[in-house]
Amino acid sequence: EPEVTQTPSHQVTQMGQEVILRCVPISNHLYFYWYRQILGQKVEFLVSFYNNEISEKSEIFDDQFSVERPDGSNFTLKIRSTKLEDSAMYFCASSEGGHRTDTQYFGPGTRLTVL
Amino acid sequence: SQKIEQNSEALNIQEGKTATLTCNYTNYSPAYLQWYRQDPGRGPVFLLLIRENEKEKRKERLKVTFDTTLKQSLFHITASQPADSATYLCALDTVDTGRRALTFGSGTRLQVQP
Repeated sequence: EPEVTQTPSHQVTQMGQEVILRCVPISNHLYFYWYRQILGQKVEFLVSFYNNEISEKSEIFDDQFSVERPDGSNFTLKIRSTKLEDSAMYFCASSEGGHRTDTQYFGPGTRLTVL
Repeated sequence: SQKIEQNSEALNIQEGKTATLTCNYTNYSPAYLQWYRQDPGRGPVFLLLIRENEKEKRKERLKVTFDTTLKQSLFHITASQPADSATYLCALDTVDTGRRALTFGSGTRLQVQP
C-alpha cells in the first residue's frame, strides 16, 4: 500500500541553524500538509500546499518557515533559524483531493531536537 | 476558536470488552468529524469519518456516533484486543472557512489488558 515517507527520522540541530525536513507524499496525491506535535501536546496544523503554492497556513507558520516542492516527488519544510521551542515531531501528510472528506495520510514523522 | 476535549485520563479495559471514547467540542458544529489512531512515535492513522447529517458510522469493530445537539462524538471499539492499545485522536474540520486543516484533540490513550 502506498505510504508517505519522511526523512530523516530524527534531526538534531543547534539553535539558530537551518533545517530542512523532507517528505515524499503518495504519488497521485495533489494536496500536501505539514503538522507538528510538541511532546505530550496536540497535533497542530502548520500549512497546506497545492499546485505549487501555499493554500492555507496557521499562526504557527511564521516567516521562519517555508515549504517547497523542489521536484515531482519531494515536499520540504524549511525552518530558517531554529529555536528551542521548534523541538517537536513534524508530520507530513498528503491527500488525493482537496475536499474536506478526502483522507489525509500521515507519514511517520521527523523528530526535531533543537539544542 | 474551536475547542476539542477528549478524556486525558488513560482508559484501561479488559480484552473482549467494548471501549468507549468521548470527544466533545465547543462553538460551531463541524461538517465532518474524524477519528485517528496514533501509536507512540508514529503519525496519526485515519480510521473513520462521520458527517454532520449522519448519526452513526461503522467499520468492522469500530463505531462512531455524532450528536450535534450535545456537540459530542463517541468512538466505540467492540471486542477489544491488546493490539487496539494506542492513543485515539478526534479531529474536526471547520465548516465556516472551508479549511482543509484538521484541528486535533489531545487524544485518549487506550490500554487493553489481555
